[in-house]
Amino acid sequence: SQQGEEDPQALSIQEGENATMNCSYKTSINNLQWYRQNSGRGLVHLILIRSNEREKHSGRLRVTLDTSKKSSSLLITASRAADTASYFCATAPYGDKLIFGTGTRLQVFP
Amino acid sequence: SQTIHQWPATLVQPVGSPLSLECTVEGTSNPNLYWYRQAAGRGLQLLFYSVGIGQISSEVPQNLSASRPQDRQFILSSKKLLLSDSGFYLCAWSEGGDSYEQYFGPGTRLTVT
Repeated sequence: SQQGEEDPQALSIQEGENATMNCSYKTSINNLQWYRQNSGRGLVHLILIRSNEREKHSGRLRVTLDTSKKSSSLLITASRAADTASYFCATAPYGDKLIFGTGTRLQVFP
Repeated sequence: SQTIHQWPATLVQPVGSPLSLECTVEGTSNPNLYWYRQAAGRGLQLLFYSVGIGQISSEVPQNLSASRPQDRQFILSSKKLLLSDSGFYLCAWSEGGDSYEQYFGPGTRLTVT
């Protein structure tokens, strides 16, 4: 079963703009992670936020977590064409088994 | 540094034929290992999970099986492929314990014809 649902399903922006993707989940979690997948490739881990954290930064990435609303957002600032990819949230409701959302397809135009 | 390999990269197999996909991890010991399947344009579905040699947990009933004959080797198999087995198969590893990040291989694109 899928735990997370990303919103929007697809997003198109110009280089230099910010991109925001949202993730909602259903059950309580230990942590939430974001991954990037370039077309036809494996996933790359971007950032992990634990359930007792509210915000985390990594370079141009900013992740927020609201456990009361069971939601998270990923913000990519000053986007680049190389950021074009699908982005997935994944939750760990128990142990270290991840449940992935359906993904947001981001297209950044030069 | 750790690396994860999967092969083959692509595979076209007829219905009813057997399957063997291999995944190996280098640079770490006793990793947790995972097999996922990704349907076109969809998220990942966890198929199998292993915390050690010979220890396999199946997440969904299906036509597939997994084995872990060595610490850093994970194999996905089928005796008879179905059309519905087509998809993108991804292997991943994690350190386990308090480390939850997973690291993915490049994947195998399987087309069953």
